[in-house]
Amino acid sequence: AQTVTQSQPEMSVQEAETVTLSCTYDTSESDYYLFWYKQPPSRQMILVIRQEAYKQQNATENRFSVNFQKAAKSFSLKISDSQLGDAAMYFCAYRSYNNNDMRFGAGTRLTVKP
Amino acid sequence: DAGVTQSPTHLIKTRGQQVTLRCSPKSGHDTVSWYQQALGQGPQFIFQYYEEEERQRGNFPDRFSGHQFPNYSSELNVNALLLGDSALYLCASSLGIPSSYNEQFFGPGTRLTVL
Repeated sequence: AQTVTQSQPEMSVQEAETVTLSCTYDTSESDYYLFWYKQPPSRQMILVIRQEAYKQQNATENRFSVNFQKAAKSFSLKISDSQLGDAAMYFCAYRSYNNNDMRFGAGTRLTVKP
Repeated sequence: DAGVTQSPTHLIKTRGQQVTLRCSPKSGHDTVSWYQQALGQGPQFIFQYYEEEERQRGNFPDRFSGHQFPNYSSELNVNALLLGDSALYLCASSLGIPSSYNEQFFGPGTRLTVL
């Protein structure tokens, strides 16, 4: 079964600086999707960024980018120019290519210091 | 454009009782998935409904059951509640057949406390 591991329960970053959140996963599949979700105190999960495993190019969405290392089964999230509104729980998630059973990590709580 | 809505926001039940949680998908969406998020953990997939049928199920006992209505809204039912069922229950909706990728939009969840 696929598992997702986030080894950093908590991270903090100074406003305007850069932070990287780590995620590793275990799978025997070759086709899959990886996601980073943000869950603010309002509890609503918001998709931050998505990566298809067949794409070698790392996904980027404005200040958010990923470092996808397929062989190492690593999928880290980099947040540049951190803003106070980035403070939230961040979850890494895995989904098989043709299966909607999404597997989430335990999350990383990000604090942004003014 | 209304997003995913869930009711109630909070709920307190006692062990052995039964509970029903409700979800209305985002406008235009036809697929609903349910997740359980225990405190301090990531969400766990319970099941998914499409065309009023359960299409996929995670590793949850059959005390957890659901239903999807013709208007695509959905209910999650949990029977014989246990203390361990205390969690945030998230609903997510998407458009299209479950076998392909379709972005899921999440609701704000229902916080269930079992005493």
